[in-house]
Amino acid sequence: QKEVEQNSGPLSVPEGAIASLNCTYSDRVSQSFFWYRQYSGKSPELIMSIYSNGDKEDGRFTAQLNKASQYVSLLIRDSQPSDSATYLCAGAMRSSASKIIFGSGTRLSIRP
Amino acid sequence: EAGVAQSPRYKIIEKRQSVAFWCNPISGHATLYWYQQILGQGPKLLIQFQNNGVVDDSQLPKDRFSAERLKGVDSTLKIQPAKLEDSAVYLCASSNTGIYGYTFGSGTRLTVV
Repeated sequence: QKEVEQNSGPLSVPEGAIASLNCTYSDRVSQSFFWYRQYSGKSPELIMSIYSNGDKEDGRFTAQLNKASQYVSLLIRDSQPSDSATYLCAGAMRSSASKIIFGSGTRLSIRP
Repeated sequence: EAGVAQSPRYKIIEKRQSVAFWCNPISGHATLYWYQQILGQGPKLLIQFQNNGVVDDSQLPKDRFSAERLKGVDSTLKIQPAKLEDSAVYLCASSNTGIYGYTFGSGTRLTVV
């Protein structure tokens, strides 16, 4: 099993709707998780981090962590065309909290 | 604060040639990472430095890749000799501790022909 797994998509969501992105992780990954956004041809940009069970909200973004089921999700409310990008889920390794492993990314497309 | 600086932005080389990438992290960041991102995949960690010491290089193909971080600041990543499968974006990232996520540079896109 890969440390962090994501559905590659593409996920197509109408403008104004809620986009839901999911990822699962293995036992080798710790409880620190991150969501990065990557526009085509650009480098990843950190948009959310979550360290404890439950929800964390920041503007239109909500990160959710469920330790029992070993999954992390990112909700984007009121989706905008500018949200179209690849979203990378990442987690810190149990063996080293400063070593972050990335999933393969989910491509999100917001259609007008 | 200034971000993570990388150069060059693009590089095209022939297979079996050598190439080097440079990274200057955010001032004061002790931890520096090199990641390889192949098109359509997530970034893969190649090497992690803490100051000028190597913390993890388990995924670095040491027969052709080398990296150093002199004086605990700038870092260079070298490939010699390059193979076609090394075509990728090489991303440098830095952090104070790493446990709160880190900031990436703009990357170097390498094409091996």
